[in-house]
Amino acid sequence: GAGVSQSPSNKVTEKGKDVELRCDPISGHTALYWYRQRLGQGLEFLIYFQGNSAPDKSGLPSDRFSAERTGESVSTLTIQRTQQEDSAVYLCASRPGLAGPLNEQFFGPGTRLTVL
Amino acid sequence: ILNVEQSPQSLHVQEGDSTNFTCSFPSSNFYALHWYRWETAKSPEALFVMTLNGDEKKKGRISATLNTKEGYSYLYIKGSQPEDSATYLCAFISGGSNYKLTFGKGTLLTVNP
Repeated sequence: GAGVSQSPSNKVTEKGKDVELRCDPISGHTALYWYRQRLGQGLEFLIYFQGNSAPDKSGLPSDRFSAERTGESVSTLTIQRTQQEDSAVYLCASRPGLAGPLNEQFFGPGTRLTVL
Repeated sequence: ILNVEQSPQSLHVQEGDSTNFTCSFPSSNFYALHWYRWETAKSPEALFVMTLNGDEKKKGRISATLNTKEGYSYLYIKGSQPEDSATYLCAFISGGSNYKLTFGKGTLLTVNP
C-alpha cells in the first residue's frame, strides 16, 4: 500500500518568509511525528500527534514553529519568519496506535528546506 | 535531556567483512529501543524494535542485541555488501516519555566493493 508521503520534496526560501510542509501518513495510522535533521546532527523530535489527544509540542524549537493535524490524516508543519538555522531535512513518520512504541515508525521521504 | 550515543560515527569496510556498531542509552527507565537504516535519498526504514533485556533479533545478515541493565545495544552485519551502505540509527524510548523516540546521530557505514 501507499507509504508516508511528504511535499514538497525540496523547498528553497528566503530568510523571513513563511513555509508550510505537508505530510500524508499511512491510512489508519493514528500516531504522527515530525522530526528534523540539521547538518551534522541527529534526528530531532519536533511534535507528536496521537488520535484526538492534545499534541506533544515539547520539541518545537521556537514559537515560529507550529503544526496541525486534521483528524487522523494530513498534517502540516508551518515555520514562520524562517531563519537560516531552520535549514534541515524535515521528516514525518506515522505508526499504528495499537501497542504504541512497540510499533515501528514509517517515515516519509522528507522535505529538504534551505533558507537563504 | 536523554543522551543516546552511537559509535563509531562512520565506518568503511570491504565487501565480505563483518562489522558491528554500538548504541548507548540511559540504563534507567527503559521502555524500548528501535534500530533504523537510512539509505541516501530514501526514507529511514525500521530494522528492529527491542524491548527485553537480553533480546537478540535477526533479519538476514543483520542482527542486534540488547542490554538494558548497562544501557547498550549492538548491531552486527555479517558479510557486508555494498547495498548495506547506509546510516544506521538507534532510537531510545523511556517510560513515560509519551512514546517519543530520542535518536542517536547514527553510524554511517560504507561498504566498498
